[in-house]
Parts: sequence; structure tokens; C-alpha cells
Amino acid sequence: GENVEQHPSTLSVQEGDSAVIKCTYSDSASNYFPWYKQELGKRPQLIIDIRSNVGEKKDQRIAVTLNKTAKHFSLHITETQPEDSAVYFCAASLGVRGYALNFGKGTSLLVTP
Amino acid sequence: EAGVAQSPRYKIIEKRQSVAFWCNPISGHATLYWYQQILGQGPKLLIQFQNNGVVDDSQLPKDRFSAERLKGVDSTLKIQPAKLEDSAVYLCASSGPNTGELFFGEGSRLTVL
Repeated sequence: GENVEQHPSTLSVQEGDSAVIKCTYSDSASNYFPWYKQELGKRPQLIIDIRSNVGEKKDQRIAVTLNKTAKHFSLHITETQPEDSAVYFCAASLGVRGYALNFGKGTSLLVTP
Repeated sequence: EAGVAQSPRYKIIEKRQSVAFWCNPISGHATLYWYQQILGQGPKLLIQFQNNGVVDDSQLPKDRFSAERLKGVDSTLKIQPAKLEDSAVYLCASSGPNTGELFFGEGSRLTVL
């Protein structure tokens, strides 16, 4: 079935550094790629998304890039802050099934002061 | 605007018992999803509803799991009989028209002993 691989599983950076999380997907019909942030004990929340007709999207300190040919997409967080510490999930739409999503296993990001 | 409501928040049962979870989506959201999130993993789609119809239930273990959304608003997810491996957080999410953003509830944490 469709698969989303996410790396790394854990990431520790110092405050102010950049963090990069990478994902690959297998379903060539996927056309929507969101990123969700989940703080401990809380619900996942959308932080940024990108559609297949766009190669890059930026929102303040967060950016996402998409290489549809290679089926890769990445999340970039610049000037990290302690409040960025959380688990980040990438996801890819399940082909023709509208916006149903297939999630990666998550990256636990720790930003140390 | 009220968010996605779920209940109960926590449930502990013994294996082979049954359990039911309830979800009330954001008003006006036609699409409703149930996801299973096992500790340390990303959410896994169980079922997607569009109004009161099932769009995708290909990953729902139908021998023990069932879900319904009779009037196109609230939804219930039932597990009978439960297995140890069903221990997880069951997340309900809804989305509005022409948007991929999923709004998640706080989840129902199930422990099967």
C-alpha cells in the first residue's frame, strides 16, 4: 500500500539553529502534502502545507519544499526556538481519496536553549 | 468556533470487551475521519465519511471495528471485541469544503488490558 517514510526520528538542535525533516512517499497520485505539529499530550495541528503544483512555500520561519519527480518533500525550520520542540508529522494525500492522509511516523524535535 | 469534540477522553477495558467512541465535528464540516494513533507512531486512517456516506474504510479492521455517521454529523466508532493491540489514541478529525486542513479532536485514549 501507500507509504510515507520520515527521517530522522529524533532531532536535537540548539536554539537559533535550523532543523530539517525529510519525507518520501510512494503514491504517485498524491497531490497534497501537509505538515502537522503535535505537542506532548495534545492534538496534531497543521503548520504548513504544499500542493503538487508548487515547489516551495514559506511562512515566516517555516518552509516546505517538494520534489514531485523524486517524491521527496522537506520541512525547514529556521531560527529554532524552545517552543518549536514537539513531534512533527509529514503526510501525503491518499491519491484520489480527496484529503485523506497517510502520515509518516514522526520526528521528535528538541530545541535546547 | 467550537472545535471537534470527542468522548470519552480515557477508557480502560479488558481484552474481548467492547468500547464505543463518539465524535462531534466542527459545524458545517461534511468530511469526518477516524484515525488510530499508536504510541510513537503517526496517525493511521481508519475510515473517512463524506456526510453520512463512507468514502474510504480500506484500513478499518472490519471483523472488530465498525463506525457510523447516521445523520451526517456525529459519528461513533466501536470496537468489539477489543484486542491488546487496539491500545491507542483514537483521533477524530473533520475538514471543511475545498481545504485539506484536518481539525483534530483531543482524542480518546484506549488501554486494553
